Amino acid sequence: NAGVMQNPRHLVRRRGQEARLRCSPMKGHSHVYWYRQLPEEGLKFMVYLQKENIIDESGMPKERFSAEFPKEGPSILRIQQVVRGDSAAYFCASSSAGGPVYEQYFGPGTRLTVT
Amino acid sequence: ELKVEQNPLFLSMQEGKNYTIYCNYSTTSDRLYWYRQDPGKSLESLFVLLSNGAVKQEGRLMASLDTKARLSTLHITAAVHDLSATYFCAVAGNTDKLIFGTGTRLQVFP
Repeated sequence: NAGVMQNPRHLVRRRGQEARLRCSPMKGHSHVYWYRQLPEEGLKFMVYLQKENIIDESGMPKERFSAEFPKEGPSILRIQQVVRGDSAAYFCASSSAGGPVYEQYFGPGTRLTVT
Repeated sequence: ELKVEQNPLFLSMQEGKNYTIYCNYSTTSDRLYWYRQDPGKSLESLFVLLSNGAVKQEGRLMASLDTKARLSTLHITAAVHDLSATYFCAVAGNTDKLIFGTGTRLQVFP
């Protein structure tokens, strides 16, 4: 049973370019969470999605960031016109609904470097 | 707004010694998590604590939860070098998003 997959694992973008980060949840999981970890800091919640729905985007910056989780395919976190401050590790986690414990399983992360 | 604080931020300890990491949170939550992160790696789930008084142990690590005090502890017994890592606590907020503490960077030396 494959775990949460993220790609690419490393991504380098120049300022002003777009970054697309992909997350495939564990099999049978329909909930995806995105977190950002700045260097030497803890993880910060960004957005929570279910298939075709954004449930909670309270942690998303108001501009340049968007996320989707289509009916088919991976969840995508999109950053437009990247700036140096976007350099961070982006982790997604997935969970399944139901059951007494909503454990989130983390992917390996995408490390974004903006030059 | 749910806030989570950990202390200490850095912990350098000698092998064989015991120590405790503390995690305080500001509002009621029904779930608390402990994770380990090695440099450049993802998060490894250590414990999920669901109820007041919950205690879980795995090897040299033991976690406990006091929901009335909004406090969780991660106790390290007879530390070994392999435990060197950053440890995070996280509390489930509304919509089940996780609110993470700042992390405790643990270094165990001979």
